Amino acid sequence: AQSVTQLGSHVSVSEGALVLLRCNYSSSVPPYLFWYVQYPNQGLQLLLKYTSAATLVKGINGFEAEFKKSETSFHLTKPSAHMSDAAEYFCAVSETNFGNEKLTFGTGTRLTIIP
Amino acid sequence: EAGVTQFPSHSVIEKGQTVTLRCDPISGHDNLYWYRRVMGKEIKFLLHFVKESKQDESGMPNNRFLAERTGGTYSTLKVQPAELEDSGVYFCASSQYGRGRGGYTFGSGTRLTVV
Repeated sequence: AQSVTQLGSHVSVSEGALVLLRCNYSSSVPPYLFWYVQYPNQGLQLLLKYTSAATLVKGINGFEAEFKKSETSFHLTKPSAHMSDAAEYFCAVSETNFGNEKLTFGTGTRLTIIP
Repeated sequence: EAGVTQFPSHSVIEKGQTVTLRCDPISGHDNLYWYRRVMGKEIKFLLHFVKESKQDESGMPNNRFLAERTGGTYSTLKVQPAELEDSGVYFCASSQYGRGRGGYTFGSGTRLTVV
């Protein structure tokens, strides 16, 4: 079975500060990992994904995440927050074995940017 | 390319009524998924189609929910009769490849409110 834990349902950072959103996963097989973002009144947009290639994954809008197998983590970072980053962020895991393709999501982290 | 389209975007119905949600996936995407987010909780998997066949329906909450994908194109999710606890946002996603290798493209969701 797979699971995702996102620490912190709400995170506030000042504009220009580092953004760090935490995600830990559990999976019985090597996972695929994803970060999605939901802006107000919009759908889920893929930020980045890890599919067993490079452990440091770069995504859109300056975000990146590092897969650390030893820590079962996939934290999302951005060096300098922008007001437009205010949104809800979801970490998700998908197992790589054929026939089990569903995404398991964390509970989400709402990011607020302080001017 | 056009994205994943869902409609209606919002639906308010009374308890006991029937509602049908529709999802049009990206053209050529054989894999179609339904997810649901209830009252700020995590987004949960409902079911997965490969073309017109149900690959995995382990997340369907009960037999009041019926999903179809006629001809392997668009899909509908019917709730009959609707209950208060069915309120939430229903997301549809599609992918070209299985196992999430290419990522999943989500629609904007249908916000269902049962009163």
